[in-house]
Amino acid sequence: DAGVIQSPRHEVTEMGQEVTLRCKPISGHNSLFWYRQTMMRGLELLIYFNNNVPIDDSGMPEDRFSAKMPNASFSTLKIQPSEPRDSAVYFCASSQDRGRISPLHFGNGTRLTVT
Amino acid sequence: SQQGEEDPQALSIQEGENATMNCSYKTSINNLQWYRQNSGRGLVHLILIRSNEREKHSGRLRVTLDTSKKSSSLLITASRAADTASYFCAFNTGNTGGFKTIFGAGTRLFVKA
Repeated sequence: DAGVIQSPRHEVTEMGQEVTLRCKPISGHNSLFWYRQTMMRGLELLIYFNNNVPIDDSGMPEDRFSAKMPNASFSTLKIQPSEPRDSAVYFCASSQDRGRISPLHFGNGTRLTVT
Repeated sequence: SQQGEEDPQALSIQEGENATMNCSYKTSINNLQWYRQNSGRGLVHLILIRSNEREKHSGRLRVTLDTSKKSSSLLITASRAADTASYFCAFNTGNTGGFKTIFGAGTRLFVKA
């Protein structure tokens, strides 16, 4: 099992540019979560999907953020336009049952720096 | 804030000593989990305790849950230098309408060899 795979590992971009983060969940998991981690705010849940359908996006900070899950093996988080305050580590995680009984499995994250 | 509360924020101990971390939350929960994060890596699941359980063991880990006080603790016995990491509690809340797993702010543990 390859685990949750995120790409890229690091992204450096200039303010105003579009950023796309990618995630491949563990095969067979039906829930996918996007988290953001910063020193100031810790780990924040941005959005989660169940069976490819967005269930709760109340944590998405602004309309500049959007997430899609076109199929069970791929999800993207897009920021357009990016701002310096978006700099953080973005984690994707997957689970078998929305975390109700089964734990979340995390990828190694994408460290985003917006200058 | 989405977060639960954890204390201490940081803990420094000698190898061989026990480490205790505490977590509190405010809502009803389905389960409570503890995760570990090494620097520059993703979180790794350690142990899950359901809301109707009071104590659980896994190797050198012992977790307790007190739903009346809305609190949990993680005990690492006979700590090792390799246990140096950040530890997070996470609680799953919600019902069939939607579930969320919310993370605490974490405790940074440093084990001195």
